[in-house]
Amino acid sequence: DAGVIQSPRHEVTEMGQEVTLRCKPISGHNSLFWYRQTMMRGLELLIYFNNNVPIDDSGMPEDRFSAKMPNASFSTLKIQPSEPRDSAVYFCASRPAGTDTQYFGPGTRLTVL
Amino acid sequence: AQSVTQLGSHVSVSEGALVLLRCNYSSSVPPYLFWYVQYPNQGLQLLLKYTTGATLVKGINGFEAEFKKSETSFHLTKPSAHMSDAAEYFCAVSDATYKYIFGTGTRLKVLA
Repeated sequence: DAGVIQSPRHEVTEMGQEVTLRCKPISGHNSLFWYRQTMMRGLELLIYFNNNVPIDDSGMPEDRFSAKMPNASFSTLKIQPSEPRDSAVYFCASRPAGTDTQYFGPGTRLTVL
Repeated sequence: AQSVTQLGSHVSVSEGALVLLRCNYSSSVPPYLFWYVQYPNQGLQLLLKYTTGATLVKGINGFEAEFKKSETSFHLTKPSAHMSDAAEYFCAVSDATYKYIFGTGTRLKVLA
């Protein structure tokens, strides 16, 4: 099993730039989650997709953040424009149908200067 | 509403000593409980989980946890710490839907 794949692993950008984070869930999993991890706020759920449809985006901080899942094997999280306070580790996780266990990717460490 | 409290953001133990990481939860429905481990620069890996049934749950790497409803606790233990156990540990609660509520994490340091 390849596990959840995220790219890039590290991203350094300047304030105001657009940032796109990518995730490939485990094949056959039908749920996908985006989390953000910071020292101050810990692990926060940003958005949850089920069968490629966004179900809960109440954790998305503001309109600068958007997420898409065009098909079962790919999702993106976009920040436009980026701000220094967006600096964090962003995790993608996937889950197979009928189970309660989420499988996490290695994360993308985002630094906005 | 659900919540998780992990007592102690940092715990140090000697190699070979007992590991005890504390987790208390609040839930208005029967909870699903999880322990995840995060090694440096890696994602979270499931250690063990409780959903229903036996209240003593065994996980990977010699860890176990006991669900105690009366104490609303799900503490993680390991009889003998190993240097490779040094990591951050997260407790999470779910109401059997998709949503996990994570604790703030406990960083375990193992002393030689």
